[in-house]
Amino acid sequence: SAVISQKPSRDICQRGTSLTIQCQVDSQVTMMFWYRQQPGQSLTLIATANQGSEATYESGFVIDKFPISRPNLTFSTLTVSNMSPEDSSIYLCSVDPGPTGELFFGEGSRLTVL
Amino acid sequence: GQNIDQPTEMTATEGAIVQINCTYQTSGFNGLFWYQQHAGEAPTFLSYNVLDGLEEKGRFSSFLSRSKGYSYLLLKELQMKDSASYLCAVSDSNYQLIWGAGTKLIIKP
Repeated sequence: SAVISQKPSRDICQRGTSLTIQCQVDSQVTMMFWYRQQPGQSLTLIATANQGSEATYESGFVIDKFPISRPNLTFSTLTVSNMSPEDSSIYLCSVDPGPTGELFFGEGSRLTVL
Repeated sequence: GQNIDQPTEMTATEGAIVQINCTYQTSGFNGLFWYQQHAGEAPTFLSYNVLDGLEEKGRFSSFLSRSKGYSYLLLKELQMKDSASYLCAVSDSNYQLIWGAGTKLIIKP
C-alpha cells in the first residue's frame, strides 16, 4: 500500500492565475498519475508523471497548461496554468505501487476558479 | 472506441442486497477494478478481477465474465455508510485504466 499526501486540499483562485498542487508519497513508486474529476463525473487521466523525464500527457492535455514535475520517486507537482472557470475541478494524484495495478489516491485538491 | 457503461444511480434499502453492473468494450483486457468513492473523498480500491468468476471479500463480491464484457459488484447487508459512488475501471492492452462514470448508490433506512 501507499500513503499519499496532497496539498492544497482546496483553493479558490482568480481567473488567469496559476496554482501548483503537490503530491508526496510515503514510499518510492515508479508510476505516478494525475487525474481530474469534474463535478458528477468520473476520473480523467491528465498525465503520467515520469521521474527524470517529461510527463506523458493524454489527449486533450498539454504541458503548457498542466506542467508537471517529478524530481524523485516520492514527489510530484501539477500546475494548472492560466486558470479559467472551466478548470474548476478536483485534481487527484495517484500511484501504482504494483503488482496488481491497484491505484492509491491522494485526498484530492478541489479548485474553484472565479 | 473504448467505453465503460454502468448505471448512473441506484437506490437500495439498509440491510438488503444490491448488484451494480458494469459492461465494457476496450482494446484488450488486463483486469477490471471496482473503486468506492464517498462524496468529497478520493476513490478507494475495492476489488480486482482478471479471471472469470466471483471474488468474495466480506460483504462485497465482484464477478467477471470476459466473454461477455461484463462485471458486477454485489453488496450484501447494506449499511448506511455504503452510500457512495462505485467506479468500474478496466485496464486495457496498454495497462491504461479506462474509467466508467460511476454509479451513485443511495441507501435508505
